[in-house]
Amino acid sequence: GDSVTQMEGPVTLSEEAFLTINCTYTATGYPSLFWYVQYPGEGLQLLLKATKADDKGSNKGFEATYRKETTSFHLEKGSVQVSDSAVYFCALSEGTGGFKTIFGAGTRLFVKA
Amino acid sequence: SAVISQKPSRDICQRGTSLTIQCQVDSQVTMMFWYRQQPGQSLTLIATANQGSEATYESGFVIDKFPISRPNLTFSTLTVSNMSPEDSSIYLCSVGGVDSNQPQHFGDGTRLSIL
Repeated sequence: GDSVTQMEGPVTLSEEAFLTINCTYTATGYPSLFWYVQYPGEGLQLLLKATKADDKGSNKGFEATYRKETTSFHLEKGSVQVSDSAVYFCALSEGTGGFKTIFGAGTRLFVKA
Repeated sequence: SAVISQKPSRDICQRGTSLTIQCQVDSQVTMMFWYRQQPGQSLTLIATANQGSEATYESGFVIDKFPISRPNLTFSTLTVSNMSPEDSSIYLCSVGGVDSNQPQHFGDGTRLSIL
């Protein structure tokens, strides 16, 4: 079945450091890919998405490119801030009508001032 | 995007009791989802609730333990029945688009602790 694998955390970085969180997926068809972020005490929020190969999703300085050849959707940010501290979830969804979203295990990011 | 309100935001319950969680959406939606997020874990789908039909439960979840109602296109409830400490989790309601290209929108969750 479909699955999402993302790098284990926690990831601890200093402010202004470069961030990469790896995400790879397994899917039978052509899924849409998402990154969600969960701040402490809150539900998940969509961070960015890409719906087809080579699409780049971007938001708030974060980027991820849908790489079909490597089945990857790595999240990157050039300069992290303390306010980026949160848990990041990679996810995929495919199909219509009865589609489901499959979430990765989540990666906790701590950014130190 | 849809705005989702969940109640209660948190609760502490005695084992053996039941709690009903409410999820209200500010627009009409076809599909609503209920997830469980155990401490430090990812999201596990409990069931999908469509208005006018029985909820569809995922493997490992049963209606007797997690009855769901979906009386209209803006509201759903999840009941956690006969609770035990293992049910201590965050329970999340979400709504999705009509196809897989659209993201899900989540409520802030209900943080449930069982003593």
